[in-house]
Amino acid sequence: EPEVTQTPSHQVTQMGQEVILRCVPISNHLYFYWYRQILGQKVEFLVSFYNNEISEKSEIFDDQFSVERPDGSNFTLKIRSTKLEDSAMYFCASSGYRNTEAFFGQGTRLTVV
Amino acid sequence: DQQVKQNSPSLSVQEGRISILNCDYTNSMFDYFLWYKKYPAEGPTFLISISSIKDKNEDGRFTVFLNKSAKHLSLHIVPSQPGDSAVYFCAAKENSGGSNYKLTFGKGTLLTVNP
Repeated sequence: EPEVTQTPSHQVTQMGQEVILRCVPISNHLYFYWYRQILGQKVEFLVSFYNNEISEKSEIFDDQFSVERPDGSNFTLKIRSTKLEDSAMYFCASSGYRNTEAFFGQGTRLTVV
Repeated sequence: DQQVKQNSPSLSVQEGRISILNCDYTNSMFDYFLWYKKYPAEGPTFLISISSIKDKNEDGRFTVFLNKSAKHLSLHIVPSQPGDSAVYFCAAKENSGGSNYKLTFGKGTLLTVNP
């Protein structure tokens, strides 16, 4: 069964460092998303990506964040200068069409120390 | 601002009985609602959805009911099984007319099904 895969499963980084979280969406999907869940809080939308551009982003997705689909299969989230409050589970998701369910990856746990 | 609220952080039921998980929303622009299940160390797994033009959708043991006037939806699991023990998230999508699929999630309800 097709699935969304994310690497790494756990990333520890020092405050101020850049991190790149990687995702391989389901191959025939067209819409890609990043969500995050801070420990004990709800899953929050960060950004959606369609047709090689950001279609919507939340207030959380500030200039420190960027997304890219560099080679037609990978979908990456970059945080330029990590802060302690960026520590969270980051979930990548993809969907085939606008009104179909999104499939989530297993998540990357980012710990900023 | 909690646009999607799951007021019960946890629910415990006996195997074989019905589990009812509730969700309330405040945004009238939501037109599509979903339930996701999440096990520890895994991502959310899609369970069932319902469009705002319907009031019920059933898939095997899972049924979602939508009451638009009350801005309330519920997930019924019958019969409940121990393997259903997980965190259940209610999520909603706004009819923005765009090509995105931004979901607004509730905080989740931890369901425990006891053997």
